[in-house]
Amino acid sequence: DVKVTQSSRYLVKRTGEKVFLECVQDMDHENMFWYRQDPGLGLRLIYFSYDVKMKEKGDIPEGYSVSREKKERFSLILESASTNQTSMYLCASSSLEGTPYEQYFGPGTRLTVT
Amino acid sequence: SQQGEEDPQALSIQEGENATMNCSYKTSINNLQWYRQNSGRGLVHLILIRSNEREKHSGRLRVTLDTSKKSSSLLITASRAADTASYFCATVNYGGSQGNLIFGKGTKLSVKP
Repeated sequence: DVKVTQSSRYLVKRTGEKVFLECVQDMDHENMFWYRQDPGLGLRLIYFSYDVKMKEKGDIPEGYSVSREKKERFSLILESASTNQTSMYLCASSSLEGTPYEQYFGPGTRLTVT
Repeated sequence: SQQGEEDPQALSIQEGENATMNCSYKTSINNLQWYRQNSGRGLVHLILIRSNEREKHSGRLRVTLDTSKKSSSLLITASRAADTASYFCATVNYGGSQGNLIFGKGTKLSVKP
């Protein structure tokens, strides 16, 4: 079974702190994604990556950056956390083979910025 | 950008009843997928229907796709309390970036024992 893990289930940070959210997948998937999920807004794509060292902006990249140094790991970075970045963050991965575009999700990180 | 719009936003039924959720989308698609999310957890893929398919079954799930109306429905038959979750449709746009899904805002299903 594909497993996508995220470094923390719950995280509390202060305004202005630099925050790292880590995501690791164990199925050699090419594609990896970061979403945030807010009530009434659904899932919104922040960044995605199709390959190592590759990154593409999603719908709401402002205030975020990403890093993909290894195929299995995709990190989301909040350079200077703000209260409006309090949200549920979901990482996902998918393969170019098999069922195309089916995404496998991690359990999520609920981030609170105070 | 939002593509799919689920309807209704919330649905409450008794155990054993059928639950039907609908999804409408705006542009031509390659395929449409349904995902489930238990409270506070990640999403789990349920079923995928391709643009050239009209109906697909998986266990108690039945998905239909009407590309002329740009709509899909997810039917859960003989629902159980464990089906309580939010359900999302997601589309892959025809000709869009590979791997990118566009999710709707979800239907919150509550199944009462």
